[in-house]
Amino acid sequence: AAGVIQSPRHLIKEKRETATLKCYPIPRHDTVYWYQQGPGQDPQFLISFYEKMQSDKGSIPDRFSAQQFSDYHSELNMSSLELGDSALYFCASSPGPGDEQFFGPGTRLTVL
Amino acid sequence: QKEVEQDPGPLSVPEGAIVSLNCTYSNSAFQYFMWYRQYSRKGPELLMYTYSSGNKEDGRFTAQVDKSSKYISLFIRDSQPSDSATYLCAMSANQGGSEKLVFGKGTKLTVNP
Repeated sequence: AAGVIQSPRHLIKEKRETATLKCYPIPRHDTVYWYQQGPGQDPQFLISFYEKMQSDKGSIPDRFSAQQFSDYHSELNMSSLELGDSALYFCASSPGPGDEQFFGPGTRLTVL
Repeated sequence: QKEVEQDPGPLSVPEGAIVSLNCTYSNSAFQYFMWYRQYSRKGPELLMYTYSSGNKEDGRFTAQVDKSSKYISLFIRDSQPSDSATYLCAMSANQGGSEKLVFGKGTKLTVNP
């Protein structure tokens, strides 16, 4: 069965650089969630989209922005990167709001 | 105090043992409860999803929810070395347009052959 696709899988950036993470949800899933998981931590919710509109916002820094496109894929844009942004970034998709969330393999971001 | 508390372990059991993993929560608005399994450096894999008090069984896994006590459990029967992973409980309120998951810290399980 098709799963959530995330790219790139690994990303290394310098401080103050910009990064773009991409998420391709499971086909026919119209809801996307982004989570950040620091080393040894549980995933923390960042932001979600339903039908291309932002549906909820968590502890996402103002330096980060995201959107969902007409094909339902989503991109997380991160600017002015800081060392503390180094983490695993997961995208999850669900058939609709409130349904089970299925996670992608994650993007490991390292900020040097 | 975190909304969701989970004993981080680590938990080490012999192959074939019954494993019990638990979480407590403080937010009575939580209505949906999940268990995820996460292997090292991989994405969380959904194991169980439930929204009512009581038991739900799927193969060797049984999820138990007690809303009155704000307590959920995952039981793994006949544990296998391949069950070695970190188990995360997660829950959501699904109210006011918010379906975000709130996770426990995760319990690291090792099943020894």
